[in-house]
Amino acid sequence: ETGVTQSPTHLIKTRGQQVTLRCSSQSGHNTVSWYQQALGQGPQFIFQYYREEENGRGNFPPRFSGLQFPNYSSELNVNALELDDSALYLCASSLEQGSNYGYTFGSGTRLTVV
Amino acid sequence: DQQVKQNSPSLSVQEGRISILNCDYTNSMFDYFLWYKKYPAEGPTFLISISSIKDKNEDGRFTVFLNKSAKHLSLHIVPSQPGDSAVYFCAAFGGSNYKLTFGKGTLLTVNP
Repeated sequence: ETGVTQSPTHLIKTRGQQVTLRCSSQSGHNTVSWYQQALGQGPQFIFQYYREEENGRGNFPPRFSGLQFPNYSSELNVNALELDDSALYLCASSLEQGSNYGYTFGSGTRLTVV
Repeated sequence: DQQVKQNSPSLSVQEGRISILNCDYTNSMFDYFLWYKKYPAEGPTFLISISSIKDKNEDGRFTVFLNKSAKHLSLHIVPSQPGDSAVYFCAAFGGSNYKLTFGKGTLLTVNP
């Protein structure tokens, strides 16, 4: 079975631009969550999608938005990029919401905003 | 406010000895706790978990202990191996909210 794959692995954007990050969930997983990990911090929850619906959101502004597709892959969109958006963005999938077996994480997309 | 705290940014131990990583939490709604290990340039990898109805869970060299009254958990690695060198994150979730709340992580270095 394939794990969680994220693309691209690295990205450099200019302040004010928009970015789309992509995630393919592990086969059979219907729940996808996105996390932001700033340098020296633990991952911070952005939002979660369950069967194509957003069902939880962390303390992030509306310019962070997402989608989940029928095949359960997902996108994270960030508009009007700010310097503080520079971080590692992690996607995690699970079989169901709140899987007691833990979420499977991708390797992340390193976003640098200049 | 930080609901999951890992107060030791780093820990160094000798190969073969025990590694003890600590984690404290403040949210009483948390009822499930997980440990993740992260190597550079990789995503976090699930290691071991514990439900709040238990006080210990063991998997090979890894044991997690939970003290609910103290809102404290710890991960024990015995014996430690150089390949265990990584950043370890404590995470928790609970109630109707399925988001994982992470600590800042502890960098474990196991010296040969």
